[in-house]
Amino acid sequence: SQQGEEDPQALSIQEGENATMNCSYKTSINNLQWYRQNSGRGLVHLILIRSNEREKHSGRLRVTLDTSKKSSSLLITASRAADTASYFCAPLSGGYQKVTFGTGTKLQVIP
Amino acid sequence: NAGVTQTPKFQVLKTGQSMTLQCAQDMNHEYMSWYRQDPGMGLRLIHYSVGAGITDQGEVPNGYNVSRSTTEDFPLRLLSAAPSQTSVYFCASSRSGLGSYEQYFGPGTRLTVT
Repeated sequence: SQQGEEDPQALSIQEGENATMNCSYKTSINNLQWYRQNSGRGLVHLILIRSNEREKHSGRLRVTLDTSKKSSSLLITASRAADTASYFCAPLSGGYQKVTFGTGTKLQVIP
Repeated sequence: NAGVTQTPKFQVLKTGQSMTLQCAQDMNHEYMSWYRQDPGMGLRLIHYSVGAGITDQGEVPNGYNVSRSTTEDFPLRLLSAAPSQTSVYFCASSRSGLGSYEQYFGPGTRLTVT
């Protein structure tokens, strides 16, 4: 298994702005998932991107994947106060495996 | 569907006591796992299971035991609680151990060991 490393560790923006966070990983993957955690609660799955995809959209979320750089980014457009949360990536290499998480990016959206 | 449920929501233990954190899912998921999250930290994997009767260790297994006798349940046992085990514990499940499916998380159990 491998952990993703999220960057930046913390991000503070005004409501309406876009938020971008990045994930880097070390070895080749089958897919990469992004999760959100609101304060004190369980993680919620946001989006999964497969290794043969370069970009994926879901509502205000846009995820990109660059397998040559072993990195992914999550863009939240037109952010809202409700987007305030920690965001985690999980790079997965396939097969039965442990799913591990890094320390995440803590996003604060100021109303 | 209730999804992933965890009991209790809160627990206070004295050092040396033992207890079992319960986790159940009603989605017929093969893969289940336990994580702990300390303040300001990410999630660390304690134990996981790819199906009934099969369990394996995660990153921080010491002091914890698990078993998986049914698809639905995956209890986590603290053998002799220590203050270092004060944490929030999350259980998660997914459709397959292949890592290709989203994980569903429970609401967490907040454990304090004094």
